[in-house]
Amino acid sequence: EVQVMESGGGLVQPGGSLRLSCAASGFTVTNNYMSWVRQAPGKGLEWVSVFYSGGNTYYADSVKGRFTLSRDNSKNTLYLQMNSLRAEDTAVYYCARTPEFCSGGSCYMYYGMDVWGQGTSVTVSS
Amino acid sequence: DIQMTQSPSSLSASVGARVTITCRASQGISNLLAWYQQKPGKGPKLLIYAASTLQSGIPSRFSGSGSGTDFTLTISSLQPEDVATYYCQNYYTAPLTFGGGTKVEIK
Repeated sequence: EVQVMESGGGLVQPGGSLRLSCAASGFTVTNNYMSWVRQAPGKGLEWVSVFYSGGNTYYADSVKGRFTLSRDNSKNTLYLQMNSLRAEDTAVYYCARTPEFCSGGSCYMYYGMDVWGQGTSVTVSS
Repeated sequence: DIQMTQSPSSLSASVGARVTITCRASQGISNLLAWYQQKPGKGPKLLIYAASTLQSGIPSRFSGSGSGTDFTLTISSLQPEDVATYYCQNYYTAPLTFGGGTKVEIK
C-alpha cells in the first residue's frame, strides 16, 4: 500500500527545535516530489517546503532560514528540521507526495499531491 | 510569488444543488492546479489535478475547468457527504501556494 506516516511532533518552547519524519512505503521518495504542508488551528492549508525529485529544495518565506529538508534514501524517509521555532509555527504538519511526470526529457509536477499522511502536531509554547 | 484567491470563502446550498467555487491565480499557471477536499479532523484529499482531471475514485459529480489564471471547481449535485472545506493549489512553481479555502455546508 502506498502511504506516508509522519512522526516527531510535540510541545516545544519558543526558540527550540524539532525534527519531523515522514516515512514512505509502497514508493520511493527519491522518484517523487515530497512536500510538507501545515495547518494552524482553525486555519487553512499552508505549503511549507518541497524536496524535488532532482534534489532541489524550496521553502515558504515564513520558514526560510529556519527549516531544512533532508532525506535518507536508505530509510525511504523525508525529514524536516525545524529550528528557532515560533508560536506561529504551531500547526498540524502533513507530509504529501506528488508523483513525478517526465516527458520530452523534462520532469515536473503534474499530478497534484495524491498521498497524504495523518499529520503530526507541533505546539510551540512556553 | 503566485497568490491564489478563492471565492466564496463559504457557501450553503441544498442537497442536489449545483455548487461552483472559483480560484484565481495572480499570474498564469497553465493548467497546473489541483483541488483538495478536507473534512473536519481529517487530512486533505486530492480531487482534481491538472485543472480538470478527476483523481481515481472521486465521484463524477466533481469537475474542474480553467487554464491560465481562472479556475473552477463544480459539484453538479451536492450530497451530504460533500460537507467539507475545499482548497485550490498552484503547483506550477514554488512556492506551491494554496487558496484560502471554501467551506461548503448544507442548507
